[in-house]
Amino acid sequence: DGGITQSPKYLFRKEGQNVTLSCEQNLNHDAMYWYRQDPGQGLRLIYYSQIVNDFQKGDIAEGYSVSREKKESFPLTVTSAQKNPTAFYLCASSNRGSTNEKLFFGSGTQLSVL
Amino acid sequence: GDSVTQMEGPVTLSEEAFLTINCTYTATGYPSLFWYVQYPGEGLQLLLKATKADDKGSNKGFEATYRKETTSFHLEKGSVQVSDSAVYFCALRLSSGSARQLTFGSGTQLTVLP
Repeated sequence: DGGITQSPKYLFRKEGQNVTLSCEQNLNHDAMYWYRQDPGQGLRLIYYSQIVNDFQKGDIAEGYSVSREKKESFPLTVTSAQKNPTAFYLCASSNRGSTNEKLFFGSGTQLSVL
Repeated sequence: GDSVTQMEGPVTLSEEAFLTINCTYTATGYPSLFWYVQYPGEGLQLLLKATKADDKGSNKGFEATYRKETTSFHLEKGSVQVSDSAVYFCALRLSSGSARQLTFGSGTQLTVLP
């Protein structure tokens, strides 16, 4: 089955630690995205990538980093510079350029600080 | 800037009740409008969409009509089921924009009791 896989489902971070969230898709989509979801708030865009080896900052990129070395993979690193990392993180992909472009989401990773 | 305002939740209904979740928007251009649904512990799924004024999106018994005169896109369902319990997000995208430019509302939690 085609889809987006995020792992792990739950992740805990210690103070000063970097952690990496995985996102893999087998939909052959060019574009991939990372969103942060906080309780009672809408989704906020962290980073996005429209093609391999290229990515752009979203609205809340500070304290995060990404890479896009392969079309299928778009890992997100939450660095120690992100002072409030506890949130639900959602990865998405889209068939960019299609007249019927829409987002497909993974099932998310809940990150908590110990 | 563009924004989406949803009615605050949580909303609790009995099975077979009528559902309305209000959504209004502010946009500088002519947006496409979307409703996404998030079931517990999962990512978002596209529920329905409308791309121009007076269009009606529908799916799984849910409907929403794009009302340009009132800048609204209210979600309705005539008879809800327990399985409809989820968080519902209204979103907009300018017609010239890519998936990157999706703007989400804060979400409305719906709980349907048997």
